[in-house]
Amino acid sequence: ELKVEQNPLFLSMQEGKNYTIYCNYSTTSDRLYWYRQDPGKSLESLFVLLSNGAVKQEGRLMASLDTKARLSTLHITAAVHDLSATYFCAVDMGNRGSTLGRLYFGRGTQLTVWP
Amino acid sequence: DGGITQSPKYLFRKEGQNVTLSCEQNLNHDAMYWYRQDPGQGLRLIYYSQIVNDFQKGDIAEGYSVSREKKESFPLTVTSAQKNPTAFYLCASSITAALITEAFFGQGTRLTVV
Repeated sequence: ELKVEQNPLFLSMQEGKNYTIYCNYSTTSDRLYWYRQDPGKSLESLFVLLSNGAVKQEGRLMASLDTKARLSTLHITAAVHDLSATYFCAVDMGNRGSTLGRLYFGRGTQLTVWP
Repeated sequence: DGGITQSPKYLFRKEGQNVTLSCEQNLNHDAMYWYRQDPGQGLRLIYYSQIVNDFQKGDIAEGYSVSREKKESFPLTVTSAQKNPTAFYLCASSITAALITEAFFGQGTRLTVV
């Protein structure tokens, strides 16, 4: 079974600072997704990373994928309060038998940005 | 507008009752999923369906049942066998399980046992 670990689980940072959230996974996969969840709300798709070396950026967030290291990072640049949320990474096994199509989620990183 | 609709938003269940959570999508997606989220936890897969009239158990299927009679609909029944059903339930869909599995989520149903 694929295991996905995120760290840190809790992150409190000041506005204007930079930080990185890490997502490690245990089995070979080249498909990784980042989601955002606001309190009491559903999940919103942020990034889809489909190959080794993939890098995507949206505003102050940048995600990358290193499939050889089984690692994805979500980098936050010059944080602002509006980025406060819980961020999840999710991995799928691709076309591999009975696991076809299912996602494995990390526990999430709860980010709080304060003035 | 295309999307995934879950209902109800809040649901209260008495001990021993079965309840059904609705999930409908008009995105023409083949694959649909049910996840459970507990406070401070990630999402755990209950059931998923890659095609009409077919579904597979996820990691925590005990005490739950599903059906997939129509492409658009994937209802989840929480049975009395589920001993701790209080949680946030999220339904999702994706274009096809064989390709990109970017899942789009409904707004969730918060189930509470009273």
